[in-house]
Amino acid sequence: DAGVIQSPRHEVTEMGQEVTLRCKPISGHDYLFWYRQTMMRGLELLIYFNNNVPIDDSGMPEDRFSAKMPNASFSTLKIQPSEPRDSAVYFCASVIGTEETQYFGPGTRLLVL
Amino acid sequence: KQEVTQIPAALSVPEGENLVLNCSFTDSAIYNLQWFRQDPGKGLTSLLLIQSSQREQTSGRLNASLDKSSGRSTLYIAASQPGDSATYLCAVCGSARQLTFGSGTQLTVLP
Repeated sequence: DAGVIQSPRHEVTEMGQEVTLRCKPISGHDYLFWYRQTMMRGLELLIYFNNNVPIDDSGMPEDRFSAKMPNASFSTLKIQPSEPRDSAVYFCASVIGTEETQYFGPGTRLLVL
Repeated sequence: KQEVTQIPAALSVPEGENLVLNCSFTDSAIYNLQWFRQDPGKGLTSLLLIQSSQREQTSGRLNASLDKSSGRSTLYIAASQPGDSATYLCAVCGSARQLTFGSGTQLTVLP
């Protein structure tokens, strides 16, 4: 199994631009989580899905952030417009409902100038 | 709101030492507790998962304990090696499977 796949691995953009982060969970996993990691705030849960349905988006910082999961094998996290304070590493993780260990992707390192 | 604290924030030890990393949490109504390892620039790797009904879990040189009533967990690493150098993260899992992470302990094992 290839594990959780995230793209791009690195993204540099200018303030005001739209950013789209992508995640492919492990096949068969029915939960998908988006996290953000910064030096100041550590790892924070942004949103998670169960069977492609958003369950809790209370961690999404602002309306500039949105996430979708159109099917079981793909999810996006979009920031529009981006701001320098959005600079962070964004992780995607998945888990199968019968187990409990979350499997993390390698992360997308985002820098907004 | 669940809060997770890890002490110490950083730790440097000579190779071969046994060491303990500490994690505390404020809400004892947890589903499980997980310890992760994160190498620089990499994702997280799960090390151990302790169910809320368990007291400890072991994997090789790692042993994690859980005292839910007092809101504490420890990760014990025996006979540390330079390859153990990484950041260790404690995460508490709520009933809806969401993880709340501590800020981590950055471990350096000196050869």
